[in-house]
Amino acid sequence: DQQVKQNSPSLSVQEGRISILNCDYTNSMFDYFLWYKKYPAEGPTFLISISSIKDKNEDGRFTVFLNKSAKHLSLHIVPSQPGDSAVYFCAASGYSGGGADGLTFGKGTHLIIQP
Amino acid sequence: EPEVTQTPSHQVTQMGQEVILRCVPISNHLYFYWYRQILGQKVEFLVSFYNNEISEKSEIFDDQFSVERPDGSNFTLKIRSTKLEDSAMYFCASSERTAYTEAFFGQGTRLTVV
Repeated sequence: DQQVKQNSPSLSVQEGRISILNCDYTNSMFDYFLWYKKYPAEGPTFLISISSIKDKNEDGRFTVFLNKSAKHLSLHIVPSQPGDSAVYFCAASGYSGGGADGLTFGKGTHLIIQP
Repeated sequence: EPEVTQTPSHQVTQMGQEVILRCVPISNHLYFYWYRQILGQKVEFLVSFYNNEISEKSEIFDDQFSVERPDGSNFTLKIRSTKLEDSAMYFCASSERTAYTEAFFGQGTRLTVV
């Protein structure tokens, strides 16, 4: 049961162009979404997050868009740089009344930035 | 910059043996987590820990798993009797508050059960 789906296992983008990574979710209880970046042999690194009360959050080159009605979010990276080559995980959480909730991760999208 | 540290980076163990994976969360963080990633699969939540007790656990976190915060700095994951399918990367994470803030992950421990 994939509650968070990243349907593109990989994405190749030219340096300087925009990278768009997509994520869909099925659980309507999710109300906080995060993007993590992961290099080989390292743990995931937090990138950017968005609460369900917003539809956009921007931090430098990174912007996350949330479409609640479509249960879809996307991460835009512009301009893309070689150091952005990594696996990007979409993650979601939702308050279940039990306190700290674990994150539900998608399978990840491997972003490759071509020179 | 403060970071979550995990030891060892790689652990090889025989099936049926007990293993303890260790983590030092970021010092002012109050919430601690264990996740695992089986090779080629997604990162999966195992357990969260707050105020010296388990706050939430997933279906994966069965009776062979336990967590402990033995002192003020360490956070451990024990697997009592390892199985081949326990082979995975295990990530520890911590956050200041709930999962509504970003969790910071350690670099992971690669567990290989033979």
